[in-house]
Amino acid sequence: GAVVSQHPSRVICKSGTSVKIECRSLDFQATTMFWYRQFPKKSLMLMATSNEGSKATYEQGVEKDKFLINHASLTLSTLTVTSAHPEDSSFYICSAAPLQNSYNEQFFGPGTRLTVL
Amino acid sequence: GQNIDQPTEMTATEGAIVQINCTYQTSGFNGLFWYQQHAGEAPTFLSYNVLDGLEEKGRFSSFLSRSKGYSYLLLKELQMKDSASYLCAGLDSNYQLIWGAGTKLIIKP
Repeated sequence: GAVVSQHPSRVICKSGTSVKIECRSLDFQATTMFWYRQFPKKSLMLMATSNEGSKATYEQGVEKDKFLINHASLTLSTLTVTSAHPEDSSFYICSAAPLQNSYNEQFFGPGTRLTVL
Repeated sequence: GQNIDQPTEMTATEGAIVQINCTYQTSGFNGLFWYQQHAGEAPTFLSYNVLDGLEEKGRFSSFLSRSKGYSYLLLKELQMKDSASYLCAGLDSNYQLIWGAGTKLIIKP
């Protein structure tokens, strides 16, 4: 089956620092990767759609300069939270859509819990 | 606007059957998904319906009525491990997932 990994699974950082989260599709190529954040007891909120080799498409209200997304290859996308603040603390989840079957199924990574002190 | 509605919480007994309903309003429609999410974990795919009718997959079944903008997830022979949140998500005309807030299912012995 399709496997997506995320690293790190948990990160605690000080306010003002930057944090990079990696999302990898391990056994398939993903043209498109999606980044979500989820607040406790809330649904997933799509932050941006990342296409390999092109700029990410950000959802309304998501600051592109704060949440930097790079999709460098067909198996790797990264999300960098720059100058993190406590309000950025959340559960960040990526998902990847397989090359040949892009839209009717997304495979989710295990998520990264970010805590900003 | 686009909207997905599902109950916030449901309680059921181990061994019983439970139906989780979902109504959707999306700009165009390219299918409806159900995901299971245990606390602190990422969602896992359960089902995808794009045509009307019932799709059965083991203890879980999913139903779709496009004319009514309605879907349900049916869980049979409930087990304690089924305690989780169940997320309904519609795929709109831009192939974006519109997520419901999830239904927290509590299973009691």
